[in-house]
Amino acid sequence: ETGVTQTPRHLVMGMTNKKSLKCEQHLGHNAMYWYKQSAKKPLELMFVYNFKEQTENNSVPSRFSPECPNSSHLFLHLHTLQPEDSALYLCASSQEPSGAFTDTQYFGPGTRLTVL
Amino acid sequence: DAKTTQPNSMESNEEEPVHLPCNHSTISGTDYIHWYRQLPSQGPEYVIHGLTSNVNNRMASLAIAEDRKSSTLILHRATLRDAAVYYCILRDQGGSEKLVFGKGTKLTVNP
Repeated sequence: ETGVTQTPRHLVMGMTNKKSLKCEQHLGHNAMYWYKQSAKKPLELMFVYNFKEQTENNSVPSRFSPECPNSSHLFLHLHTLQPEDSALYLCASSQEPSGAFTDTQYFGPGTRLTVL
Repeated sequence: DAKTTQPNSMESNEEEPVHLPCNHSTISGTDYIHWYRQLPSQGPEYVIHGLTSNVNNRMASLAIAEDRKSSTLILHRATLRDAAVYYCILRDQGGSEKLVFGKGTKLTVNP
């Protein structure tokens, strides 16, 4: 138990569906992250939020829409996804905002997404 | 971020030490060396980090070469629970929040 929870743990959706992934951290951290882990690629950073403000979008397609209403919650809204978007989506948090090279990131267990 | 090179896979026996190597020949003087691991069906977890000196914590030890072009993560007594993918990552002191993951080393621990 890392203090970062993600729901749902598994999600199957069609290409025309709209769904949302939820992440919650109970650690009092100031930064939150979305990562994507595909079967054949290393873990990739998608978005970074510091103090609820988005500070990085790693060229992610607009069909992925993040939302950070407060420092404890992070959402990833999904719409009109493609089968190649099927992957494990991981949320992480860290105490420090950007620039903390020694800061540890704490990861949730991930949401396994399958797009049909 | 500077690049790291790790073996794709390694095997160990339970209760024996494991030495996981990482090469980072283009490391800069301001890069910290971080190790994370990912257990099956879980997100990555932090293991250890260091700059120049060897480091120890409850999970592992990190041995850093004098020229800093390589490092070794040492698990002193491997358990079945240590079976995971281990990632060696360089993080610039200059200020990037990015953790740039490579393919890592898949460690198998045999009973």
